[in-house]
Amino acid sequence: GENVEQHPSTLSVQEGDSAVIKCTYSDSASNYFPWYKQELGKGPQLIIDIRSNVGEKKDQRIAVTLNKTAKHFSLHITETQPEDSAVYFCAAANSGYALNFGKGTSLLVTP
Amino acid sequence: KAGVTQTPRYLIKTRGQQVTLSCSPISGHRSVSWYQQTPGQGLQFLFEYFSETQRNKGNFPGRFSGRQFSNSRSEMNVSTLELGDSALYLCASSHNGGGYEQYFGPGTRLTVT
Repeated sequence: GENVEQHPSTLSVQEGDSAVIKCTYSDSASNYFPWYKQELGKGPQLIIDIRSNVGEKKDQRIAVTLNKTAKHFSLHITETQPEDSAVYFCAAANSGYALNFGKGTSLLVTP
Repeated sequence: KAGVTQTPRYLIKTRGQQVTLSCSPISGHRSVSWYQQTPGQGLQFLFEYFSETQRNKGNFPGRFSGRQFSNSRSEMNVSTLELGDSALYLCASSHNGGGYEQYFGPGTRLTVT
């Protein structure tokens, strides 16, 4: 089955800096790659996603890049703010099947 | 649109008991998926229901079961609870299912003592 690895497990940045979280996947048939943000006491929130026919997608301060050949994708957050502090999860899915999640990255943005 | 709702939010049960959790998806969504979240194993897929039919199933024992009603609301049941079943149970809904654009509820925190 699909195996998704996520790095780093913890990340601390200063407010205003950029943060990058990386994931690799094993199943070359995977074609959908979402990113979720989970705050304490809440369920994961879908923040951005990308499909395998696209190399990059941007939404304001967040962007996701996908390298299908290398089977890895990354989340980029620019101009980080304290409210970006949360646990971020990457996931991968093969069309019609369930999401396989990475183990999560705990991001701390310090003022 | 209202988001995904889950009830109850917190639950404490004893080993050997059974439990039923409920999920109401976003209006118009026909797919409901259930996940178990624990610190050690992370987010693990339990099953997905689409238009009242189980479409996918994860690698969990038969003690975990679910169903979906004609209004897309879903329930999951865990029988003969074990200590290891203590977890946050998350429900996610989507329009087309299959992992695409899933929106999660706040979860039910189950503690088994």
